[in-house]
Amino acid sequence: QKEVEQDPGPLSVPEGAIVSLNCTYSNSAFQYFMWYRQYSRKGPELLMYTYSSGNKEDGRFTAQVDKSSKYISLFIRDSQPSDSATYLCATGFQKLVFGTGTRLLVSP
Amino acid sequence: GAVVSQHPSWVICKSGTSVKIECRSLDFQATTMFWYRQFPKQSLMLMATSNEGSKATYEQGVEKDKFLINHASLTLSTLTVTSAHPEDSSFYICSARTSGGSLSTDTQYFGPGTRLTVL
Repeated sequence: QKEVEQDPGPLSVPEGAIVSLNCTYSNSAFQYFMWYRQYSRKGPELLMYTYSSGNKEDGRFTAQVDKSSKYISLFIRDSQPSDSATYLCATGFQKLVFGTGTRLLVSP
Repeated sequence: GAVVSQHPSWVICKSGTSVKIECRSLDFQATTMFWYRQFPKQSLMLMATSNEGSKATYEQGVEKDKFLINHASLTLSTLTVTSAHPEDSSFYICSARTSGGSLSTDTQYFGPGTRLTVL
C-alpha cells in the first residue's frame, strides 16, 4: 500500500464549478498536510498547509483533514481556467511523501 | 515569501558529460534541502536529503556516486549528475526547508525545476 494515494485524473470541470480533490494516507502519525499546485514544466507551489484535523480556508481554497479516516481534501470554489494544473497532496515528517497528483482542467 | 531558485532552468548535454544544477534559497536560510526527480505525468520522487555541512542522505536505489550533492552553505545546494546518460533525462526539482522564523519549520518550498535532456 502506498503511503499517499491520489487519483491521477484528469478531472475536467466547467468554469465556476466547485472542485473537490482528495487523497488518502496510511500513516496515522502524520500531522502535517500540504497541497501543492504544479503548472506544466514548473516546480510545485505551496497552496495550503494544515496541521492535524480540521478545515483551513484561504480565498477560494479550503483544505480539510479528517484524521479519523486518514482523508484529506482540497476544495476550490468558483474554479477558473487559471486553476488548471496538477494538484499534489503531501504529508510526512522529515521527508514529504507525495501523492501522484491530480490533473485538473477547467474549461472556459 | 519564501523563494527558491534553480539554475539552469534547462540543459541539454551529450552522453558521458557531467551537469551541475544549483539550488538557492533567496530570502531565508535552509538547513535542509531536498532533491527530487519527476518523470512526465508522475509524482515527485525524492532522491536525497541534503543538510548543510554534512553528507547527503540518499534514498534507496539512488546512486550516490552518480548524483553528487554538495550543501556548501545555508542558501546553496548543488546536484551534479556525473557521466550522464539518456535515461537520466528528467525534471530535477529542489526544495528547501526553513530553519525557523516566520515560516513553519516543516514547510518545504520548491524551486522551479531544471529540465535535463541527455542526448
